Amino acid sequence: DSGVTQTPKHLITATGQRVTLRCSPRSGDLSVYWYQQSLDQGLQFLIQYYNGEERAKGNILERFSAQQFPDLHSELNLSSLELGDSALYFCASSVDSSESYEQYFGPGTRLTVT
Amino acid sequence: GQSLEQPSEVTAVEGAIVQINCTYQTSGFYGLSWYQQHDGGAPTFLSYNALDGLEETGRFSSFLSRSDSYGYLLLQELQMKDSASYFCAVGGRDDKIIFGKGTRLHILP
Repeated sequence: DSGVTQTPKHLITATGQRVTLRCSPRSGDLSVYWYQQSLDQGLQFLIQYYNGEERAKGNILERFSAQQFPDLHSELNLSSLELGDSALYFCASSVDSSESYEQYFGPGTRLTVT
Repeated sequence: GQSLEQPSEVTAVEGAIVQINCTYQTSGFYGLSWYQQHDGGAPTFLSYNALDGLEETGRFSSFLSRSDSYGYLLLQELQMKDSASYFCAVGGRDDKIIFGKGTRLHILP
């Protein structure tokens, strides 16, 4: 158990809908990262937050947005969902942005868009 | 831009040694990390190299050559439970972490 929690574990929704994925980092970690992993694909970095502020942005679609709250939990919002958005979404955390090389991953949320 | 190359699959025999290579191209290189991911599971951190040389952690070792933009993960005394995907990842000046596509390690009894 990494100490990072993600909810929900599974999510099935229809095209065009909007969903929110939630992540709680390990106790004491200030940085949160979001990744997308499609079948047989690597981890695509989406976005990083550090202590409530956006720190780095990867290949995140405009339909996707995220935020980190004062209690350090984070949410990833996916809207106007398409079939291609079906994937495993991971949240990870690290102590701070300078130690981003050592990240602890949550169990992931499996999103299925039908 | 940033990119990483690692073999898509590697096969080895239980009890043997296997090396998984990773070459990278990045700006403002900070270091090379390795993660393990079992099917259906989350990635778990294995090791990190910021400086040239070999880092050993039990049966796993990781090597980095900054001048060659190259690193590898060495797994010794392979066990069936080591069957997994292994990802190298690099961090750069812009704080982005880029992961390779992963190497699936198959272990034969």
